[in-house]
Amino acid sequence: DSGVTQTPKHLITATGQRVTLRCSPRSGDLSVYWYQQSLDQGLQFLIQYYNGEERAKGNILERFSAQQFPDLHSELNLSSLELGDSALYFCASSVRGGDTGELFFGEGSRLTVL
Amino acid sequence: GEDVEQSLFLSVREGDSSVINCTYTDSSSTYLYWYKQEPGAGLQLLTYIFSNMDMKQDQRLTVLLNKKDKHLSLRIADTQTGDSAIYFCAEDRPGGYQKVTFGIGTKLQVIP
Repeated sequence: DSGVTQTPKHLITATGQRVTLRCSPRSGDLSVYWYQQSLDQGLQFLIQYYNGEERAKGNILERFSAQQFPDLHSELNLSSLELGDSALYFCASSVRGGDTGELFFGEGSRLTVL
Repeated sequence: GEDVEQSLFLSVREGDSSVINCTYTDSSSTYLYWYKQEPGAGLQLLTYIFSNMDMKQDQRLTVLLNKKDKHLSLRIADTQTGDSAIYFCAEDRPGGYQKVTFGIGTKLQVIP
């Protein structure tokens, strides 16, 4: 158990819909990262938050948005969903300034868009 | 470029050694990592190497780093069926805050 909790574990929805994925980082971790894992593109970095502020942005579509709340949990919002958004979405957390920069991953939220 | 590159698939027989290779992009990367993803699970850090090291050994795992060629490898000695998983190479780019970039992952299949 990494200590990172993601909900829901599985989600099936239709094209055009909107979903919210939730992540609770490990206790004490200030950084939260979101990744998208698909078969053809591997693990793609979407966005990073540190203590409520956006710190780095990767290949995140404009239809997607995220935020980190004062209690440090984070949400990833995916809107106007397309078939190609079907993927496993991972959240990870880390301690800023940690010796090794290890990321701790949740088990992922599997999104299926029909 | 932005990509960390790895081969997609490796098949070895149980008891043999496995070598998974990776090329990374940023010569100023501080840490280089190997993560393991077992079926149905998230990624878990397997081992890492600091950029000023050439080699790191941890039980059955040996990490080799060639900074000149930006090449990283993971050797697993005496590979077991439990080692079957996807292995991700990753680099940690400096800049004040972490931005860890992952390769596409190498699926290791261990044949009994």
